[in-house]
Amino acid sequence: KAGVTQTPRYLIKTRGQQVTLSCSPISGHRSVSWYQQTPGQGLQFLFEYFSETQRNKGNFPGRFSGRQFSNSRSEMNVSTLELGDSALYLCASSQPPSPGQPQETQYFGPGTRLLVL
Amino acid sequence: QKEVEQNSGPLSVPEGAIASLNCTYSDRGSQSFFWYRQYSGKSPELIMFIYSNGDKEDGRFTAQLNKASQYVSLLIRDSQPSDSATYLCAGVNSGYSTLTFGKGTMLLVSP
Repeated sequence: KAGVTQTPRYLIKTRGQQVTLSCSPISGHRSVSWYQQTPGQGLQFLFEYFSETQRNKGNFPGRFSGRQFSNSRSEMNVSTLELGDSALYLCASSQPPSPGQPQETQYFGPGTRLLVL
Repeated sequence: QKEVEQNSGPLSVPEGAIASLNCTYSDRGSQSFFWYRQYSGKSPELIMFIYSNGDKEDGRFTAQLNKASQYVSLLIRDSQPSDSATYLCAGVNSGYSTLTFGKGTMLLVSP
C-alpha cells in the first residue's frame, strides 16, 4: 500500500497570510490526525478527524482548523500566520485495531515544513 | 495535563552495545504506548507498540512496560550507527484515540 502523502512538502509564507495543507491517508484508513512539531515543543496534537467529523481537538487557537472529505483526505488551514507557526506539520493516518493490536496505530506522512517570514 | 517525559539526551553508546531509552508518563489511565524513531529531517516511523505489563521483543528491539511505576522503556541490542536518531515515546490517552508524545531522546551510536 502507498503510504501517507502530504502536499506541499515545503512552504514559505509571510505573517498574516493563510495556508492550506493537504494529507491523503493510507488506503482504507478513515482516521487522520494532525500534529505540529517544533524543536522546543516537540510533537503537539492539533486535531483528529474520523469519517468527516472532528473526533478530538488539541489546545491550539481557532486560527488552526481542519476538515476531512468523504474519501478520507484531510486538509488543515492556518489563518493569519504568525512567526511562531513555523514548524513541521505532520499528518498521521490510523490503522484500525486488529487481533493482537488492540489500539489504532498511527503512521506518519513525510510532513510539510512551513516557514513564516 | 497529560505528560510523557523523556530525557532529551543525547545518549551516546558504542556500536554493538545495548541502548536503553526511558519514558515516564503522568496519565495513570494510559494503557498502551508506542515507540517511534525519527531521523533528522524525516517524519516519525513506528517501531513498537506495547500494552501489557512486561517485555515485548521484536528483533533487536525490546519494549518494557511497568504500569505500577508508570514507566516505559525501549532497549536496542547490538546498536548500529544507523540507529542514531531521536526516539519518541507516545502514550494513548485514556478514553481517547489520541497520543501524547514525549519530546524524544536523541541516540548517537558511534562506530
